[in-house]
Amino acid sequence: EAGVTQSPTHLIKTRGQQATLRCSPISGHTSVYWYQQALGLGLQFLLWYDEGEERNRGNFPPRFSGRQFPNYSSELNVNALELEDSALYLCASLGEDYGYTFGSGTRLTVV
Amino acid sequence: AQSVAQPEDQVNVAEGNPLTVKCTYSVSGNPYLFWYVQYPNRGLQFLLKYITGDNLVKGSYGFEAEFNKSQTSFHLKKPSALVSDSALYFCAVSAIQGGKLIFGQGTELSVKP
Repeated sequence: EAGVTQSPTHLIKTRGQQATLRCSPISGHTSVYWYQQALGLGLQFLLWYDEGEERNRGNFPPRFSGRQFPNYSSELNVNALELEDSALYLCASLGEDYGYTFGSGTRLTVV
Repeated sequence: AQSVAQPEDQVNVAEGNPLTVKCTYSVSGNPYLFWYVQYPNRGLQFLLKYITGDNLVKGSYGFEAEFNKSQTSFHLKKPSALVSDSALYFCAVSAIQGGKLIFGQGTELSVKP
C-alpha cells in the first residue's frame, strides 16, 4: 500500500507570504496529524484532524491553520510567514492498529 | 499534561555491542508508547509501539523495548548494534488511543565500527 505522501518536498517562501503544504494519508486512514520539526526545537504537535474536524491544536499562533477534505487528505496553511517558521513539516496518519505512519515531510524555508 | 524525556542527547556504541536508548514518560492514565527513527533529511520510521499486553515489545530491525509502569520508562534496546543503526531516535507518548503524540527531544545514536 502507498504510504503517507506529502507535497511539495521543498518550499521556499519570502517572509510575509503564505505557504500551503499538502498531505495524503494512507488509504482508509481518517486521522491526520501535523508536526513541526524546527532546528533545536524537536518535534512539536501542530494539528489533528479526524473525519474532517479539527480535534486538537498545539501551542501555535492562529496563522497556522489547516483543513481536512472529504477524501481525508489535509492541507496546512501558514500565513504571514516568519523566518522562524523554517522547519521540516511532517504529516502522519493513524492506522486501525493505532500505529502512526509518517510522511517524508515538506522542508519549508523562509527567506 | 503528557511529557517525554530522553535524558541522553547522544549515545555512542561500538558495533556488535548492545545498545540502550532511554526514555521516561509522564501521562495521566494508561500510556501509549512509541519509538521512531529518523535518518538525515527524512521523515520518521516506525520501530515499535506499546499499546497493551506484554511489557516486552519487539519491533523492526531487531529492536525491542520494555514497558516499565513503576519506573514510567520505555527504554529501547538492541542486543547487537550495527553501524547502519546510527540515526536520531525519538520516543513518543499519547494519553489516548489515536491522540496526539508528544515526542522526546531525540537521542543521536552513533555506532562505530
